[in-house]
Amino acid sequence: ETGVTQTPRHLVMGMTNKKSLKCEQHLGHNAMYWYKQSAKKPLELMFVYSLEERVENNSVPSRFSPECPNSSHLFLHLHTLQPEDSALYLCASSQGPGGSYNEQFFGPGTRLTVL
Amino acid sequence: AQSVSQHNHHVILSEAASLELGCNYSYGGTVNLFWYVQYPGQHLQLLLKYFSGDPLVKGIKGFEAEFIKSKFSFNLRKPSVQWSDTAEYFCAVNSGGTYKYIFGTGTRLKVLA
Repeated sequence: ETGVTQTPRHLVMGMTNKKSLKCEQHLGHNAMYWYKQSAKKPLELMFVYSLEERVENNSVPSRFSPECPNSSHLFLHLHTLQPEDSALYLCASSQGPGGSYNEQFFGPGTRLTVL
Repeated sequence: AQSVSQHNHHVILSEAASLELGCNYSYGGTVNLFWYVQYPGQHLQLLLKYFSGDPLVKGIKGFEAEFIKSKFSFNLRKPSVQWSDTAEYFCAVNSGGTYKYIFGTGTRLKVLA
């Protein structure tokens, strides 16, 4: 595997379910990100981890719970979601913070549908 | 609050036409600027980036962008588009030295063969 991978690619869940999204980066990067991509809205930065420490948390509802056990893996745990949470969830990684010629590399995303 | 505006939401062009997509941002400090492209069914890919130096940056596939600091703009250009450029294009701004990236809403480009 190369780059940034995400599983599953598609997920349908009910509002009472608990599920997890997984992201893995094979680039040796130190930072990992979760974004939400909804139709006709800008990508929304949800969480950022640098060296397994959370460095950004953008007022995301507590029904989304991130976990970063090491610098290569990032999870997004989901519970009691709402239909408006249906979206494409993107994972990205970078070597470090913006600047110093750092750029983000994105995974293919998980298409989440909440019924 | 910081924001990024992409004024063109949908653009339709014929092959060989010239392209310019607008991007304006609101942030007064040091910025790093990016254009990403998302081809149908594919993930976001970096098209080009600006960190410092020459404000005219060249990216992949013949794209270029010009950073005009006084206008807070980073417009994307291509002199002659191809059918394969059909995609969605996103402008993004990073506050220098932070992990915070702000994206625009995207511009859907359709190139007619």
